[in-house]
Amino acid sequence: DAKTTQPNSMESNEEEPVHLPCNHSTISGTDYIHWYRQLPSQGPEYVIHGLTSNVNNRMASLAIAEDRKSSTLILHRATLRDAAVYYCILRGNNAGNMLTFGGGTRLMVKP
Amino acid sequence: EAGVAQSPRYKIIEKRQSVAFWCNPISGHATLYWYQQILGQGPKLLIQFQNNGVVDDSQLPKDRFSAERLKGVDSTLKIQPAKLEDSAVYLCASSFTGGNYNEQFFGPGTRLTVL
Repeated sequence: DAKTTQPNSMESNEEEPVHLPCNHSTISGTDYIHWYRQLPSQGPEYVIHGLTSNVNNRMASLAIAEDRKSSTLILHRATLRDAAVYYCILRGNNAGNMLTFGGGTRLMVKP
Repeated sequence: EAGVAQSPRYKIIEKRQSVAFWCNPISGHATLYWYQQILGQGPKLLIQFQNNGVVDDSQLPKDRFSAERLKGVDSTLKIQPAKLEDSAVYLCASSFTGGNYNEQFFGPGTRLTVL
């Protein structure tokens, strides 16, 4: 599986936008970019995914670079509940299409 | 819609003992996953089922870990005998299919402590 690189941690102020970067320079043409987050003491939860075009949903936006070698998860207004570990994952057409989690980015939100 | 159910939520055992975890996926989900998450790390896939067949168990330590998904619904993961390094959270997840665009839904996990 292609690897992703994320900062270990980031800090944000409440009600401000947050941009979480992810580098994936070895991405292949069929890899989807998935984002999951894990709140304290909970299992991971799906946030968003995309292939080539930018994507929006009720939780976040995903901006994908034109060459697809990087992407950015955007939380438009961070709340205290958004404090979590955010994982950027490439999911390809390998057997089982499993999720391979890295270390993720720990987002801290200050009131 | 009910989520992925797991039990027990917590388990403490001594090394060399056996332990079993149970998972009930979301109704209608054909694909079921077991992950191991060691403190401070991301989850690591142990095994993936499609209905009641194994798709990938390449990272399952088969000398001590076993898993089954009878009738393609519930699943159990067993460790026998447990080692200290098995202390972790064991997460179960399910998805409608195994496609690479499909969202996985995770349960709350079982926290295992091996003393």
